[in-house]
Amino acid sequence: DQQVKQNSPSLSVQEGRISILNCDYTNSMFDYFLWYKKYPAEGPTFLISISSIKDKNEDGRFTVFLNKSAKHLSLHIVPSQPGDSAVYFCAARGYNTDKLIFGTGTRLQVFP
Amino acid sequence: SAVISQKPSRDICQRGTSLTIQCQVDSQVTMMFWYRQQPGQSLTLIATANQGSEATYESGFVIDKFPISRPNLTFSTLTVSNMSPEDSSIYLCSVVRGSGRAGKDTQYFGPGTRLTVL
Repeated sequence: DQQVKQNSPSLSVQEGRISILNCDYTNSMFDYFLWYKKYPAEGPTFLISISSIKDKNEDGRFTVFLNKSAKHLSLHIVPSQPGDSAVYFCAARGYNTDKLIFGTGTRLQVFP
Repeated sequence: SAVISQKPSRDICQRGTSLTIQCQVDSQVTMMFWYRQQPGQSLTLIATANQGSEATYESGFVIDKFPISRPNLTFSTLTVSNMSPEDSSIYLCSVVRGSGRAGKDTQYFGPGTRLTVL
């Protein structure tokens, strides 16, 4: 049972445009969500997170939106840059636990 | 953030052998986590390693197959025992760093160990 889903395995975006990566979850007990970026041969790098009490969190070019009623979150990257090309994982965590449940990842390619 | 190193970075092993992966953190942490990422798959938690107690394993993972040591607050090892080709994965350790409140800290990952079993 996949509790965290990223239904788009890949996304291709032109440099300067917006990249939107989506993530859906099924467990209403999740209270904290994180996005990680992963380059080949490296470990995941933390990008941005959001608590379930918020609907938006912004950090520079990265913004995460949370729609609790739809159990959906998205990561917006504006403007997209070629260096953003990587695999992006969303992850979720329940109350009073550090255990992360990861989605399957979306490979983002930003082309010039 | 946290500075986490892993050894080895990659290895190619024969079926039936064992490999021990080391994880070193730049400062003391209470919990360390071991994840696996099989080819084309997501990251899956293997176990949580607390210093001074036995590791807690997730469903589908057992101590005999993945013994873990946690001798101090900055170091942990994961052993992949009696390996088969299905164990070919990236193995990652991670730690939580932040405010200290459960459930509100960020998890940081090491660079991973890429294991190939022939």
